[in-house]
Amino acid sequence: DAGVIQSPRHEVTEMGQEVTLRCKPISGHDYLFWYRQTMMRGLELLIYFNNNVPIDDSGMPEDRFSAKMPNASFSTLKIQPSEPRDSAVYFCASSLNAGRLPNEQYFGPGTRLTVT
Amino acid sequence: LAKTTQPISMDSYEGQEVNITCSHNNIATNDYITWYQQFPSQGPRFIIQGYKTKVTNEVASLFIPADRKSSTLSLPRVSLSDTAVYYCLVGDRGGGNKLTFGTGTQLKVEL
Repeated sequence: DAGVIQSPRHEVTEMGQEVTLRCKPISGHDYLFWYRQTMMRGLELLIYFNNNVPIDDSGMPEDRFSAKMPNASFSTLKIQPSEPRDSAVYFCASSLNAGRLPNEQYFGPGTRLTVT
Repeated sequence: LAKTTQPISMDSYEGQEVNITCSHNNIATNDYITWYQQFPSQGPRFIIQGYKTKVTNEVASLFIPADRKSSTLSLPRVSLSDTAVYYCLVGDRGGGNKLTFGTGTQLKVEL
């Protein structure tokens, strides 16, 4: 298994531009998570899905952020318009339903976003 | 949202046992406690999870007291390759059971 796949690995963009991050979870996993990591705030949960349905999006910073999961093998996190404070590493993770959360999550390599 | 706190850093030597504690006073009633390891420029990697008492696997043990307001990750006989940042992850009842990572502990293992 290739594990969780994220693209791009690095993204540099200018303030005001739209950014789309992509994630392919491990086949068969029914949970998908988006996290953000910064030095100041550490690792933060943005949103998670169960069977392609958003369950908790309370961590999404503001309306500029949106996430979709059109099918079991693909998810996107979009920032529009981007701002310098969005600069961070964004991780996608997936897991199998284990009856309780948080359970064993498999993380992708992350996307390092820099907004200038 | 109550903070899930850990010591910022710990130092150890090869072959020693290391215990890292996470304080999660507001843990959600039905949620697991999970621990992750993170190396630079990589995503976190799952180590162990538990609900109560003690859990052991091939790489670590997890101790959880009856009130579940803290947990301790125990790494037996650490090696240089265990140098990493360690995080706990729990559901925070105050935040509507929001999944919350701890502040992270940088473990440095020396010869």
